Amino acid sequence: DTAVSQTPKYLVTQMGNDKSIKCEQNLGHDTMYWYKQDSKKFLKIMFSYNNKELIINETVPNRFSPKSPDKAHLNLHINSLELGDSAVYFCASSQVFGQGGSGANVLTFGAGSRLTVL
Amino acid sequence: AQSVTQLGSHVSVSEGALVLLRCNYSSSVPPYLFWYVQYPNQGLQLLLKYTTGATLVKGINGFEAEFKKSETSFHLTKPSAHMSDAAEYFCAVLIQGAQKLVFGQGTRLTINP
Repeated sequence: DTAVSQTPKYLVTQMGNDKSIKCEQNLGHDTMYWYKQDSKKFLKIMFSYNNKELIINETVPNRFSPKSPDKAHLNLHINSLELGDSAVYFCASSQVFGQGGSGANVLTFGAGSRLTVL
Repeated sequence: AQSVTQLGSHVSVSEGALVLLRCNYSSSVPPYLFWYVQYPNQGLQLLLKYTTGATLVKGINGFEAEFKKSETSFHLTKPSAHMSDAAEYFCAVLIQGAQKLVFGQGTRLTINP
């Protein structure tokens, strides 16, 4: 059973198109994230949701819109794709930070979705 | 502001040799620190973490790290490298109150036969 699953794994599309990446977690975590990893492997947080509520929205173009229909799902929709959007997008989940327990403060990552914009 | 810096974007060691990956942090409050590993074409996986208590923490696959407040460091070590250790390693600090992890730029570990 995959803990954090993302689809699709690979996505190749043309500039100007709109695309979505879906993420689901079966860990019962309250918080979910989207991270972007660029070609130099640098990881940067984009968004996080806690129980369907947006709590982190970094400086991301408003062409990127996250949606969380329930606390187990966090999707990422990208409008008007640009060349610079090419990257690997990782979904992750965690228990709410600050709570105790061995799993506290630990992110569980999905396998990533590699987006290539041509 | 809390941040981490990883010294060396690429480290290469021989199989059986000591692995040392360096991480320094900046934090005005006691930090929560993490090491994650990323194997090719995979997501990140937790190696170990430091929150409070013992400053030497042991993780999976024989890795360990020591929190040194005086040096603001959290270096990752493994006594004897194995070919399967080849991967990208990320140090991270928890931004407390903001509920987010901030990652270092990563260190690619190569193991030579």
